[in-house]
Amino acid sequence: AQRVTQPEKLLSVFKGAPVELKCNYSYSGSPELFWYVQYSRQRLQLLLRHISRESIKGFTADLNKGETSFHLKKPFAQEEDSAMYYCALSGYNDMRFGAGTRLTVKP
Amino acid sequence: EAGVVQSPRYKIIEKKQPVAFWCNPISGHNTLYWYRQNLGQGPELLIRYENEEAVDDSQLPKDRFSAERLKGVDSTLKIQPAELGDSAVYLCASSSAGVRSDTQYFGPGTRLTVL
Repeated sequence: AQRVTQPEKLLSVFKGAPVELKCNYSYSGSPELFWYVQYSRQRLQLLLRHISRESIKGFTADLNKGETSFHLKKPFAQEEDSAMYYCALSGYNDMRFGAGTRLTVKP
Repeated sequence: EAGVVQSPRYKIIEKKQPVAFWCNPISGHNTLYWYRQNLGQGPELLIRYENEEAVDDSQLPKDRFSAERLKGVDSTLKIQPAELGDSAVYLCASSSAGVRSDTQYFGPGTRLTVL
């Protein structure tokens, strides 16, 4: 079954600490993977996608096909990174989101 | 640019009543999505349109849910009759083309409460 799993519902780190939000997927094929973010009182918006291989707001994510993972990382978390993060998978005719991880960056 | 527009933002109805949600995508976006997001969960795709054609409605509960996208622009999602379990946020999103790597732009959502 096609699935996106984000094992942590809540993640809390101090400002300046590294942060990693985990995402594992199950898909029979070659999916497109994304991270979407929702800041407080804002809309869900794209943070980054694996095909672009870019760093956005200091975040990076590497697709590991062997481990079927797409973890989101940032070396030094900032308070403004506090938000809800969703990992998403786009298949041939399917779009699935994980349940999300709420990241809190403490001062 | 207003982005994706949805109305109403909030709706409270009693069970067995009908309800409709409206979405206006970003101008020029051919692909339109409707999602349902239950509390504590990620968005779940209900239906995807390419212009006015529904190309993926496998997750739409067809006994009570219906959707249309006349003229390939605005779309409405209807529930009739609503059940308690339909309480959720209904999100609309659009993208410029139907390719898998496309960025989706989301609306603010409609929060439905069924009493």
